[in-house]
Amino acid sequence: DVKVTQSSRYLVKRTGEKVFLECVQDMDHENMFWYRQDPGLGLRLIYFSYDVKMKEKGDIPEGYSVSREKKERFSLILESASTNQTSMYLCASSSPAGGPLEQYFGPGTRLTVT
Amino acid sequence: RKEVEQDPGPFNVPEGATVAFNCTYSNSASQSFFWYRQDCRKEPKLLMSVYSSGNEDGRFTAQLNRASQYISLLIRDSKLSDSATYLCVVNMNSGGYQKVTFGTGTKLQVIP
Repeated sequence: DVKVTQSSRYLVKRTGEKVFLECVQDMDHENMFWYRQDPGLGLRLIYFSYDVKMKEKGDIPEGYSVSREKKERFSLILESASTNQTSMYLCASSSPAGGPLEQYFGPGTRLTVT
Repeated sequence: RKEVEQDPGPFNVPEGATVAFNCTYSNSASQSFFWYRQDCRKEPKLLMSVYSSGNEDGRFTAQLNRASQYISLLIRDSKLSDSATYLCVVNMNSGGYQKVTFGTGTKLQVIP
């Protein structure tokens, strides 16, 4: 079974702090994604990566950056956390064979910025 | 207009009922479609693909209507365990990449 893990289930940070969210997948998937999920807005794509050291902006990249130094790891960085970044963050991965639609999600990190 | 729209529900149905959800998409160039299921406080999981000819997986049937730009999910003989939020997902080529857009989900509550 594909396993996608995220570094924390719950995180509380203060405004202005730098925040790192880590995601690791164990199935050698090329594609990795970061989403945030908010009530009434659904899943929104922040960034994605189709290869090591490669990244592409999604629909809402402002205030975020990412890093993909190794194939299995995709990190989301909030350079200076703000209260409007309080959300559920979900990481996902997929293989080229399955395409970007057959995504396997991690359990999510619920981030609260105070 | 949103790229992908779903009725948020909730749909409250008794056990054994048949329930159907629709999902409309705005871009006629959309190429492929899926349904995901998300349980409360859990991550989304792939439920099934949606093929042009329609497809069935047990009690679940998915259909695509390209002319009217919607996909549907039919659940027969609803079980308590079907209670979840159902997300439709639409994929299209955009700038050389596959752009994936999730709907906001339709919540289903199956009542004993």
